[in-house]
Amino acid sequence: GAVVSQHPSRVICKSGTSVKIECRSLDFQATTMFWYRQFPKKSLMLMATSNEGSKATYEQGVEKDKFLINHASLTLSTLTVTSAHPEDSSFYICKPDTTYGYTFGSGTRLTVV
Amino acid sequence: EDQVTQSPEALRLQEGESSSLNCSYTVSGLRGLFWYRQDPGKGPEFLFTLYSAGEEKEKERLKATLTKKESFLHITAPKPEDSATYLCAVSKNTDKLIFGTGTRLQVFP
Repeated sequence: GAVVSQHPSRVICKSGTSVKIECRSLDFQATTMFWYRQFPKKSLMLMATSNEGSKATYEQGVEKDKFLINHASLTLSTLTVTSAHPEDSSFYICKPDTTYGYTFGSGTRLTVV
Repeated sequence: EDQVTQSPEALRLQEGESSSLNCSYTVSGLRGLFWYRQDPGKGPEFLFTLYSAGEEKEKERLKATLTKKESFLHITAPKPEDSATYLCAVSKNTDKLIFGTGTRLQVFP
């Protein structure tokens, strides 16, 4: 099945700084990548959908200026949390479209202090 | 409004004690129902996808079933290594997934 590599697995940053999370498709080309967010003991919630070569589509209530998504190539999609605050602390996970199966990335635990 | 509800929220089983996890959904235009396993600090691991009522799928000690309103994940003779959070999700006419809050399963030796 498709392999998605997500980095970093854990990151701690200071409030006000920005953090970039990368998802790479290792053995396929992903035209679409979904970005989810998971709070402790809560559901995974879809944040946005990135499409190679075009602007990302954000779900209702997600600030596009805070969560910058870039999908510059068919093998790399990135999520940048800008001016992070403690309430942005969460588990972020990527997933390509199902053309390549149902695999998720391994997730990134972001802690903002 | 589309909704996915999982029960119970947490389940403690003795090794070998079979049980079932429930996922009920209210979704217009269901395309597929998915079961995932998630270990702490990891991304979800795909288990099954079901597309139509009456469909069943099995993998080792796990069996998933689907009706028009709910799905069950049956665990037969569980082992401690089956301890994890089990997530149910549905998709409609796109690849977007709507998740339930999961069932936290603990299996004790």
